[in-house]
Amino acid sequence: GAVVSQHPSRVICKSGTSVKIECRSLDFQATTMFWYRQFPKQSLMLMATSNEGSKATYEQGVEKDKFLINHASLTLSTLTVTSAHPEDSSFYICSARAPTSGAETQYFGPGTRLLVL
Amino acid sequence: AQSVTQLDSHVSVSEGTPVLLRCNYSSSYSPSLFWYVQHPNKGLQLLLKYTSAATLVKGINGFEAEFKKSETSFHLTKPSAHMSDAAEYFCAVMDSSYKLIFGSGTRLLVRP
Repeated sequence: GAVVSQHPSRVICKSGTSVKIECRSLDFQATTMFWYRQFPKQSLMLMATSNEGSKATYEQGVEKDKFLINHASLTLSTLTVTSAHPEDSSFYICSARAPTSGAETQYFGPGTRLLVL
Repeated sequence: AQSVTQLDSHVSVSEGTPVLLRCNYSSSYSPSLFWYVQHPNKGLQLLLKYTSAATLVKGINGFEAEFKKSETSFHLTKPSAHMSDAAEYFCAVMDSSYKLIFGSGTRLLVRP
């Protein structure tokens, strides 16, 4: 199956700093990637939809100026958490839609654990 | 709007016994439904998906699910649980924008 990677796998940062998380589709081109946030013992909540070459579409309640998404190529999307605060600590997971496998299939990355001190 | 409800937050079974994880959906049209598994601190792995083909869907690791329109259900089953099946399981439905809407998850515990 298709492989999606995330980097870093975990990051610890100080409050007020910015953190960039990368999501890469390793063996396919992904015109659409999705970013999710998962708090402990909770389900995944979609934050935004990232389309290559265009602005991301954010879900209601997600601050677009705080969570900057860039999808500069067909294999890379980045999520930057700006001026991170402890309440941003969470597990961030990306997924990528692989059109050749059918529009319905999303492949998930392994996630990035963010801890803001 | 599409939604899914996972009826059990925790399911505990003995190794070697059947597994049943329940999922009910709500959709205004024929849905695409998915089951994913998540091991601790890991991403999600697709177990199986239903996309309006055969109603009984076979997935990886011996799991299968049956789409029942009359019951708006898509329950996940496995004949015999293994210790390695212990994980969090998520049912999801896809909306018209290809967004996945997840259920709240069911934690499967497998007793030796």
